[in-house]
Amino acid sequence: DGGITQSPKYLFRKEGQNVTLSCEQNLNHDAMYWYRQDPGQGLRLIYYSQIVNDFQKGDIAEGYSVSREKKESFPLTVTSAQKNPTAFYLCASRKGIARGEAFFGQGTRLTVV
Amino acid sequence: DQQVKQNSPSLSVQEGRISILNCDYTNSMFDYFLWYKKYPAEGPTFLISISSIKDKNEDGRFTVFLNKSAKHLSLHIVPSQPGDSAVYFCAASPLQGGSEKLVFGKGTKLTVNP
Repeated sequence: DGGITQSPKYLFRKEGQNVTLSCEQNLNHDAMYWYRQDPGQGLRLIYYSQIVNDFQKGDIAEGYSVSREKKESFPLTVTSAQKNPTAFYLCASRKGIARGEAFFGQGTRLTVV
Repeated sequence: DQQVKQNSPSLSVQEGRISILNCDYTNSMFDYFLWYKKYPAEGPTFLISISSIKDKNEDGRFTVFLNKSAKHLSLHIVPSQPGDSAVYFCAASPLQGGSEKLVFGKGTKLTVNP
């Protein structure tokens, strides 16, 4: 079945460690996105990518990094520079025609202790 | 600066009645709008969308209205069902040189009471 997969569902890390969240899609979508959800804050855009080897900062990119080496994959690294990394992270993909729906993964709950 | 605003954090309606969820945007370059439904600890699921060349789009119980001059859109759910209880997000996409940026509001929690 086509879809978008995030792994793992739950992730625990110690403060000061970098951590990478995985996002894979087999929908042949060009555009991919990372959002962060905090209580009362909605979905805030971290980074997005329109094509392979290209990505753009969203509204809250500080403390995060991404790569887009393959069309199917858009991993997000939460670095030690991110002051409040504990959150629910959502990855999405979209066909890439500036129209149409974005499909979301099931999310990764990151807890930093 | 929040470009997509959902000013009502919550809404409660009776089963069978109409639910109206509102969304305002500030960026005049937005020209494609979407509504999503989300349950806790899950990814959002797409409900309905509308392009700026239209002022209404309907899909079953869901209708989205767009007022470009007021930079306002609304989602109507008729009749509301208890299974519609969830958080609803409005999202917008700009027409800026083919940008794929997709911006969401803070969401409105809808509760449909039996």
